[in-house]
Amino acid sequence: DSGVTQTPKHLITATGQRVTLRCSPRSGDLSVYWYQQSLDQGLQFLIHYYNGEERAKGNILERFSAQQFPDLHSELNLSSLELGDSALYFCASSPPGQVINEQFFGPGTRLTVL
Amino acid sequence: LAKTTQPISMDSYEGQEVNITCSHNNIATNDYITWYQQFPSQGPRFIIQGYKTKVTNEVASLFIPADRKSSTLSLPRVSLSDTAVYYCLVGDSNTGNQFYFGTGTSLTVIP
Repeated sequence: DSGVTQTPKHLITATGQRVTLRCSPRSGDLSVYWYQQSLDQGLQFLIHYYNGEERAKGNILERFSAQQFPDLHSELNLSSLELGDSALYFCASSPPGQVINEQFFGPGTRLTVL
Repeated sequence: LAKTTQPISMDSYEGQEVNITCSHNNIATNDYITWYQQFPSQGPRFIIQGYKTKVTNEVASLFIPADRKSSTLSLPRVSLSDTAVYYCLVGDSNTGNQFYFGTGTSLTVIP
């Protein structure tokens, strides 16, 4: 158990719908990262927040958005869902300083778009 | 953005030492080299990180040559439970760099 929690664990929805994925980082971690993992694309970095501010953006679609709240939890919003958005979505967190690139990953949310 | 190149897959027998090499020709001065392990349907798990020369911890060793354009993850005496995908990353989270995981190396340990 990494200490990062993600909800829900599974999500099944239809095309065109909107969903919100939630992530709670480990206590004391200021950074939250979102990744998408589909069978044919590997693990794709989406976005990184540090203490409430966007730090880096990866291959995140315009239909997707994220934010990190004052209590440091983060939400990833996916809208106008398409079949190709079906994937595992991971959240990770990391502490400030120390081991620079050590990220602690949550168990993931499996999204199925029908 | 420093991208990495790794073999797509490797097989090894139990008890053997496994070396997985990663190339990162455009690594930046501030970048660290980090390796993660991922089991099916689980999030990746940090294994080891280094900047130059050799780093060793309780599970692996990481060898980095002087030019830092490549690195080798060494897993001593692998067991069946080491069957997983191994990712090599380069980056520096303090500068806000995004992290490119790539497709990793799928290691299969054979009994």
